[in-house]
Amino acid sequence: DAGVTQSPTHLIKTRGQHVTLRCSPISGHKSVSWYQQVLGQGPQFIFQYYEKEERGRGNFPDRFSARQFPNYSSELNVNALLLGDSALYLCASSSLAGATDTQYFGPGTRLTVL
Amino acid sequence: KQEVTQIPAALSVPEGENLVLNCSFTDSAIYNLQWFRQDPGKGLTSLLLIQSSQREQTSGRLNASLDKSSGRSTLYIAASQPGDSATYLCAVRDSNYQLIWGAGTKLIIKP
Repeated sequence: DAGVTQSPTHLIKTRGQHVTLRCSPISGHKSVSWYQQVLGQGPQFIFQYYEKEERGRGNFPDRFSARQFPNYSSELNVNALLLGDSALYLCASSSLAGATDTQYFGPGTRLTVL
Repeated sequence: KQEVTQIPAALSVPEGENLVLNCSFTDSAIYNLQWFRQDPGKGLTSLLLIQSSQREQTSGRLNASLDKSSGRSTLYIAASQPGDSATYLCAVRDSNYQLIWGAGTKLIIKP
């Protein structure tokens, strides 16, 4: 079984541009979460989606948005990129959205903003 | 606001030694605590999950303990091997169902 997949692997953008990151969860998983990990720090929660509805949102500006599709894959969109958005963006899937569910992480997308 | 701290930030030990990594959190109202491993350029791998009602979990050479009242968890690695070299992160599931993470401990096992 394939694990969580993310695309692209690496991405370079310039300030002010827009970016879309994609995530495909493990087959059968209905929940997808997004995290931002700045170098040297732990991940920060951005969004969680379950059955195409937003279940949680972290402390990120409105420039960050996401959605989940009927096949449970997900996109993270970031508008008006800033240098500080440079980070590893991680996607995690779980079968449900409960507190006790184990999340399985993808390899991440490394975003560099110049 | 929940805060998670991991000490030390980095640790280097000879192969074969037993070692302990520490994690502390400020709010005891958690659902569970997880330990993860992160290899360079890769995602996160869940190692152990301890529910709030549990005291410890074991998997192979790994043992994690949880003392919710004192806001502490430890990850014990027995008979360390070079393949254990990685960054280890702990995360707590808070009352809002969100995972709150520590900054990690970078572990190097010297052959």
